Amino acid sequence: DTGVSQNPRHKITKRGQNVTFRCDPISEHNRLYWYRQTLGQGPEFLTYFQNEAQLEKSRLLSDRFSAERPKGSFSTLEIQRTEQGDSAMYLCAHKVRVSGNTIYFGEGSWLTVV
Amino acid sequence: AQTVTQSQPEMSVQEAETVTLSCTYDTSENNYYLFWYKQPPSRQMILVIRQEAYKQQNATENRFSVNFQKAAKSFSLKISDSQLGDTAMYFCAFMNNAGNMLTFGGGTRLMVKP
Repeated sequence: DTGVSQNPRHKITKRGQNVTFRCDPISEHNRLYWYRQTLGQGPEFLTYFQNEAQLEKSRLLSDRFSAERPKGSFSTLEIQRTEQGDSAMYLCAHKVRVSGNTIYFGEGSWLTVV
Repeated sequence: AQTVTQSQPEMSVQEAETVTLSCTYDTSENNYYLFWYKQPPSRQMILVIRQEAYKQQNATENRFSVNFQKAAKSFSLKISDSQLGDTAMYFCAFMNNAGNMLTFGGGTRLMVKP
C-alpha cells in the first residue's frame, strides 16, 4: 500500500468529452504530483502541489488540462475536450518525507479516448 | 534540466542468476536522490531502492543493490538470485534536492526466464 488511491482506475471516453481523475493520499502529505505515462515510455511530469498551491506545471499540461487540490488534501485532474493523444496512464504520487523524500505512486488511472 | 538515460531497452536473465541494469544521468546539482522503480504488468509503479547522493555507501534492499558512481553519474541496479516475479519494466529516476519532480529514464524491460 503506497498510501495513494486513484479513481477511476479505467476510463473510456469519446473524443471531445471531458474527464476527471481523482487522487486521494492516505494522509495530507504536503507534496502531491501528477504524471502521465504512455505505453512503452517512462512517466512524464505534469504538475505538482505543495499543500493547495500548484507550484509547477509542465509544458505538457496544455490549456485543456487543469489540476486542483482544494484544502491541500485530495487532488483532481481534469481534461477538457479529450483527444486521442490524451490516451495514457495518469499517475498520482506523493512525497513521504519520513522515508527520505521518497515519492510513492498510486495505481494510476488509465484513459482511453476513442 | 536533468536527464536520465537507460541504454538497455530489454534484458533477460535465467532464474536464480544475477543481472545488472544500467542508468546514467546528467545534473549540475551536488545533492539529489536516485531511485529504481519496478513496473510489473499491473502497471503499479513500485519503489525498489533509493540512494541519497551525499551517501557514499551503496544502498541495498534484500536481493537488490546499487552501484552508485557519483563522479561518473552512474547508478546501476543489480538483482541477485533473480525470480520470475522480477519480470517487469524497471525505471531509473532522479530527484533534485528541492524535490520538485522525478525525472525518469526510458525504462528497461527485464524478462526472467525459468
